[in-house]
Amino acid sequence: AQSVTQLDSHVSVSEGTPVLLRCNYSSSYSPSLFWYVQHPNKGLQLLLKYTSAATLVKGINGFEAEFKKSETSFHLTKPSAHMSDAAEYFCVVHFGNEKLTFGTGTRLTIIP
Amino acid sequence: DGGITQSPKYLFRKEGQNVTLSCEQNLNHDAMYWYRQDPGQGLRLIYYSQIVNDFQKGDIAEGYSVSREKKESFPLTVTSAQKNPTAFYLCASSIKLGTDTQYFGPGTRLTVL
Repeated sequence: AQSVTQLDSHVSVSEGTPVLLRCNYSSSYSPSLFWYVQHPNKGLQLLLKYTSAATLVKGINGFEAEFKKSETSFHLTKPSAHMSDAAEYFCVVHFGNEKLTFGTGTRLTIIP
Repeated sequence: DGGITQSPKYLFRKEGQNVTLSCEQNLNHDAMYWYRQDPGQGLRLIYYSQIVNDFQKGDIAEGYSVSREKKESFPLTVTSAQKNPTAFYLCASSIKLGTDTQYFGPGTRLTVL
């Protein structure tokens, strides 16, 4: 079965420290993978996208994600957290049909 | 300035009433989507449309209806048959159905009193 799992529902980091948000997917082939960010009461904004080109994908606001086929993972990282990064982050997978499959989200809290 | 607009931002409804949420896009996208978001859950697909006058049920279509009379517009009606309508509703669009990147509107928060 095709699925996407975000391993942490909530992550807290101190301002200026690294961020790691984890995502694993289950699929028999390499899908397209995305990270979206949602600030409170707002729509989703595309952070970055992987579509079988370079395995390390750079996105907006200093975020990047690495596609690891052997681990079926697509973890999101940022070297240094900023207060404005506090939001909910969704790992999203396109398995080749008409739908996107969303993870349940990770809420990122930044500690001043 | 291209994008997707949703209105209203907040909507209150009494039980037993139908209500219509607006979604407009000026991106010239063929495909449009409606999602429902509940706390602690990912987005769930309600309806989608690949072209004018065509739409398909998503995973949770019961109690909802849509129309697609114009390419730019994809309104969602939440009917009285929807058992638990209080949620955050998001509209999205993509160039074609099945192309992966979807672009989202700012959402409408519906509360049933």
